Amino acid sequence: AQSVSQHNHHVILSEAASLELGCNYSYGGTVNLFWYVQYPGQHLQLLLKYFSGDPLVKGIKGFEAEFIKSKFSFNLRKPSVQWSDTAEYFCAVKRYNQGGKLIFGQGTELSVKP
Amino acid sequence: KAGVTQTPRYLIKTRGQQVTLSCSPISGHRSVSWYQQTPGQGLQFLFEYFSETQRNKGNFPGRFSGRQFSNSRSEMNVSTLELGDSALYLCASRLRDGSDGYTFGSGTRLTVV
Repeated sequence: AQSVSQHNHHVILSEAASLELGCNYSYGGTVNLFWYVQYPGQHLQLLLKYFSGDPLVKGIKGFEAEFIKSKFSFNLRKPSVQWSDTAEYFCAVKRYNQGGKLIFGQGTELSVKP
Repeated sequence: KAGVTQTPRYLIKTRGQQVTLSCSPISGHRSVSWYQQTPGQGLQFLFEYFSETQRNKGNFPGRFSGRQFSNSRSEMNVSTLELGDSALYLCASRLRDGSDGYTFGSGTRLTVV
């Protein structure tokens, strides 16, 4: 069965530290890839998405992600985190021929210490 | 533009009852998907509707059903509620090709007692 794996369950960083959250998926065909963020008490918000083209995609709030097809990975990065980045981050994959079905990773909780 | 609207925000039901949740997509979005979010299982896909037709279905029992109306609004129904159905139910809408991503609503928090 297709799966999406997020390497870290909980990450704790100090402000200004760099962030990289790992995401791997198991499907070998064409995929669309997404990172969503869920701030405490708020709804899921789209950070960035990859459909095709440049594998390095930039999103909102200074986040970026790199799609490495050979590694089935779509890691999220931010050079310098802020306390306001404290949230849960979800990687999601959509297979090309599966309509609107998103398969989510288990999520990574990020805590940024001021 | 207005976001995805889900009603009600909170709901408490008793085991064995049924419940109906509502979702109004972003104007112009004709595709609506439903997800269940729990601490143990994370976010799981329930089903997707486009133009009043179910296009895709996740691995949930038949107690979970949905429908979409001609104005793209969607409802989700859960019959014979079980304690394990307690969860946050999220609705997401998108343009048909999904090129603008999926926009999620704030969810309905269902508690089954």
